[in-house]
Amino acid sequence: QVQLVESGGGVAQPGRSLRLSCSASGFTFSSFAIDWVRQAPGKGLEWVAIIWYDGSNQYYVDSVKGRFTISRDDSKNTVYLQMNSLRAEDTAVYYCARGMAGTTGGVFDYWGQGTLVTVSS
Amino acid sequence: EIVLTQSPATLSLSPGERATLSCRASQSISHYLAWYQQKPGQAPRLLIYDTSYRATGVPARFTGSGSGTDFTLTIGSLEPEDFAVYYCHQRSDWPLTFGGGTTVEIK
Repeated sequence: QVQLVESGGGVAQPGRSLRLSCSASGFTFSSFAIDWVRQAPGKGLEWVAIIWYDGSNQYYVDSVKGRFTISRDDSKNTVYLQMNSLRAEDTAVYYCARGMAGTTGGVFDYWGQGTLVTVSS
Repeated sequence: EIVLTQSPATLSLSPGERATLSCRASQSISHYLAWYQQKPGQAPRLLIYDTSYRATGVPARFTGSGSGTDFTLTIGSLEPEDFAVYYCHQRSDWPLTFGGGTTVEIK
């Protein structure tokens, strides 16, 4: 069965870095786009970034451009989110989600359980 | 950025009643609108994509409609497990955006 498992969350000071991982199983990983979506405590959902199935394109929400980088390693069935220059407003549960087959992004048919990132001094 | 506005913020209904949730886009998004359900402590779940297509395993009581800027999610007859937060989401343009959510609560 399809599974997405996030890891790498934790507490970081403002200005520091964290790298999140999304490990996938149960499907042909190299055929699917993967996104990161976050949710601040008690708030709604915010899309963060996408990497296409072949890694050829990445898109980001404006608030993380230049600070976050999404990448993938198909040999490890893993997508990464490198988060630099962290800010308090980046505090959230970060979910990875699979883009549905046959779409160019934005239909998330499977989600991980999420990993909590807390940015605080 | 395309802004999605959901209404109402909260819907108080009883099991068996019909729920109608609205999502309005700040510009036309064609049919590229999805709906997700989220329960406390859980990841979101895809219900509807591209306005009206039910995701695998989603009961027929969930229907989506609309086009352009105005969209609706209808839950035909609320079951106890349907009380949750619902988000609309557009994939017409980057950045992808979500609405602020509608909470469907038990009256």
